[in-house]
Amino acid sequence: GAVVSQHPSRVICKSGTSVKIECRSLDFQATTMFWYRQFPKKSLMLMATSNEGSKATYEQGVEKDKFLINHASLTLSTLTVTSAHPEDSSFYICSASPIAGGSYEQYFGPGTRLTVT
Amino acid sequence: DQQVKQNSPSLSVQEGRISILNCDYTNSMFDYFLWYKKYPAEGPTFLISISSIKDKNEDGRFTVFLNKSAKHLSLHIVPSQPGDSAVYFCAATYSGGYQKVTFGIGTKLQVIP
Repeated sequence: GAVVSQHPSRVICKSGTSVKIECRSLDFQATTMFWYRQFPKKSLMLMATSNEGSKATYEQGVEKDKFLINHASLTLSTLTVTSAHPEDSSFYICSASPIAGGSYEQYFGPGTRLTVT
Repeated sequence: DQQVKQNSPSLSVQEGRISILNCDYTNSMFDYFLWYKKYPAEGPTFLISISSIKDKNEDGRFTVFLNKSAKHLSLHIVPSQPGDSAVYFCAATYSGGYQKVTFGIGTKLQVIP
């Protein structure tokens, strides 16, 4: 099956610093990747849609200058949380959709637990 | 406004019995529905999907039923196994939605041995 990896799986950083999270599709190419955030006891909240070679599309209420997304290749997207604050602490999950087949299925990474102290 | 609703936050079922997880949606544009399974501290895993042109899709122990007129779908797991214990997310999308998927809040299933 399609595999998506995320790195790192856990990160603790100090308030004011920036953190980069990588999302890779390991065995397929993805023109579109998605970044989600999950709050405790809440559903997955879509933050942005990342398109290879173009600017990301952010959902309403998500600060594009704070959450920088780069989709450098068909297998890699990165999310950088800039000037992180404790309220940015959360579980961040990426997903990727294969190019072929017009599939709606998204394959999710294992997630990254960010803790800002 | 929650467009995909899972009104039961949790469900307990005896091993070997049927698990039924329910999901309602409000957006009439949704025409493709998915179920994902999620373990703690992991990303969701795709389980099964159904297009709005069907009312049933079966894959092994998992069957999804869609009632378009009621804007309701359900996931049946039979027989339930302890390894099925996880959070199940109902999700929906639509053609032209650029693959954006809207998730429900999830139902935590516990299968008791």
